[in-house]
Amino acid sequence: QSVLTQSPSASGTPGQRVTISCSGSRSNIGVNYVCWYQQLPGTAPKLLISRNDQRPSGVPDRFSGSKSGTSASLAISGLRSEDEADYYCAAWDDNLRGLAFGGGTKLTVL
Amino acid sequence: QVHLVESGGALVKPGGSLRLSCAASGFSFSDYHMTWMRQAPGKGLEWISYIPNSGAFKYYADSVKGRFTISRDNVQTSLDLQMNSLRVEDTAVYYCARGGGFDAMDVWGQGTTVTVSS
Repeated sequence: QSVLTQSPSASGTPGQRVTISCSGSRSNIGVNYVCWYQQLPGTAPKLLISRNDQRPSGVPDRFSGSKSGTSASLAISGLRSEDEADYYCAAWDDNLRGLAFGGGTKLTVL
Repeated sequence: QVHLVESGGALVKPGGSLRLSCAASGFSFSDYHMTWMRQAPGKGLEWISYIPNSGAFKYYADSVKGRFTISRDNVQTSLDLQMNSLRVEDTAVYYCARGGGFDAMDVWGQGTTVTVSS
């Protein structure tokens, strides 16, 4: 099982706001930056959020990240059909001395 | 334009070896840390290995420690992954990515497929 915990699935209708959560521990999310990656079907992952809440150039402001304690969240507002993808959270784990990933959340746009 | 292109994926028998390469272009390779990731069929992303820009240290997931070796050539701007004692469970698409460690991976290659099967 994954070091970081994500719900396996989430869904919403176009225009809705959806939140995807990521739970970790003091050795990863509690002390290090969280990143979020989006993987569209059949493609390589893409960086969506870095350093907990920073959007790289080109990522729409509909996507936002936050962190509190040992948990993090990715919010997607104004949901669109092209947002249907797998979303992964990640954070360095000081105990493992490696990068911890969540198992991924499959977002379905109904 | 920033590009990462993986190569070397193949079908290999259990116990065999394979060397993956990642050619980098469009950025100052020696300034960036680099990471290998993989994704087994129908599964999530798995971090494999990370090497800082200097190459001074190397970090590995427990699942590959002692079998895989990451290396980089800052002159040739390439990242390699030597994979030995391959197992069926190493079957995956392997991605190289720019960055990693404590910070984000902001550029990814398209991936190369490794299949371990008898």
